Amino acid sequence: DGGITQSPKYLFRKEGQNVTLSCEQNLNHDAMYWYRQDPGQGLRLIYYSQIVNDFQKGDIAEGYSVSREKKESFPLTVTSAQKNPTAFYLCASSRVEREAFFGQGTRLTVV
Amino acid sequence: SQQGEEDPQALSIQEGENATMNCSYKTSINNLQWYRQNSGRGLVHLILIRSNEREKHSGRLRVTLDTSKKSSSLLITASRAADTASYFCATSGYSTLTFGKGTMLLVSP
Repeated sequence: DGGITQSPKYLFRKEGQNVTLSCEQNLNHDAMYWYRQDPGQGLRLIYYSQIVNDFQKGDIAEGYSVSREKKESFPLTVTSAQKNPTAFYLCASSRVEREAFFGQGTRLTVV
Repeated sequence: SQQGEEDPQALSIQEGENATMNCSYKTSINNLQWYRQNSGRGLVHLILIRSNEREKHSGRLRVTLDTSKKSSSLLITASRAADTASYFCATSGYSTLTFGKGTMLLVSP
């Protein structure tokens, strides 16, 4: 099946830990995106990438890092510098200027 | 900053009625897209309208775009209980896809 896969579905992080969220797509899309969703806030852009080995900060990049070593993969690391990481994280991919396909999301909770 | 702003924030209607949601944005765009999200799930693309188009239809969906007013509307006709979800507009431009806060639609049987 073609699509975009996020894992894990649920993730728990202890104070001071870094955690990495996985995002893989087999749609041959050049563009990939990471969004954060909080209740009532809509989707806010964290990072995006239009091509392998290149990525750009979005509106709320502080405390997050990404890599784009392969076209298919765009992992997001939530670092200990992110003081309020509890949220729903969504990954998406698209052809440039076309509709985006979303994964099912990762719900991150700080314990 | 979020580009699109949907209005209303919440909408409650009966099955069979039409639902209209509006989106306003701030800067120039290449296209505008509408998405649907069921609670706790990923977003699903509904329809894309390019900046040089004024209206587009897909099944029970009708989208309009007014670039002079920087606004768009999504009309869902003959709504069903299964249409209950959050609806987001997203603007495409400058290599990014920027979303608004969404409209929560509740369709009661």
